[in-house]
Amino acid sequence: KNQVEQSPQSLIILEGKNCTLQCNYTVSPFSNLRWYKQDTGRGPVSLTIMTFSENTKSNGRYTATLDADTKQSSLHITASQLSDSASYICVVSARGSTLGRLYFGRGTQLTVWP
Amino acid sequence: KAGVTQTPRYLIKTRGQQVTLSCSPISGHRSVSWYQQTPGQGLQFLFEYFSETQRNKGNFPGRFSGRQFSNSRSEMNVSTLELGDSALYLCASSPGQVEVKNIQYFGAGTRLSVL
Repeated sequence: KNQVEQSPQSLIILEGKNCTLQCNYTVSPFSNLRWYKQDTGRGPVSLTIMTFSENTKSNGRYTATLDADTKQSSLHITASQLSDSASYICVVSARGSTLGRLYFGRGTQLTVWP
Repeated sequence: KAGVTQTPRYLIKTRGQQVTLSCSPISGHRSVSWYQQTPGQGLQFLFEYFSETQRNKGNFPGRFSGRQFSNSRSEMNVSTLELGDSALYLCASSPGQVEVKNIQYFGAGTRLSVL
């Protein structure tokens, strides 16, 4: 069964600290993995997209890693800011013509405290 | 460049009614995807349209349907509304098909409340 599991479900950190969010998936055949940031009341915003051959992708203070062998991805946030408070969603795309599908994690709710 | 525009932003309907939501993608984008987001289920994929053709479909009942016009604008229709259809409906556009490595741009969503 194709699934995407994210952990932790929620996380509270202090401003300036680093944190790492996890995403495990069982989606096959794998096409790409995306991390999104969703602020409350807004639509998700794409942070990174990685295909099978990409191990690391950075976007400012956000760095995503992908281990296609173990089917794990992580999103590392460096020097957190109050504006990083949001839900972070991992999405895995399955490869296949008209049968292509998207599988979503439930998200990790990150709260950054001053 | 204008972003993805969804209308209306808020909608209140009663059970049994039907509703049509609209999405205008970013100019030049040919793929439009629809998602349902609820606190309990998170984001769930409804369907994707590319060049007026439905390319992918999620696991939703036939009450949920959509279409895409020649200008890439898309509409989503939900018939015979149920209480459980209350959700935030998000639309996203991208230059190409979602399963390919294309960035999706989301609209702010339409919040539907079914009473």
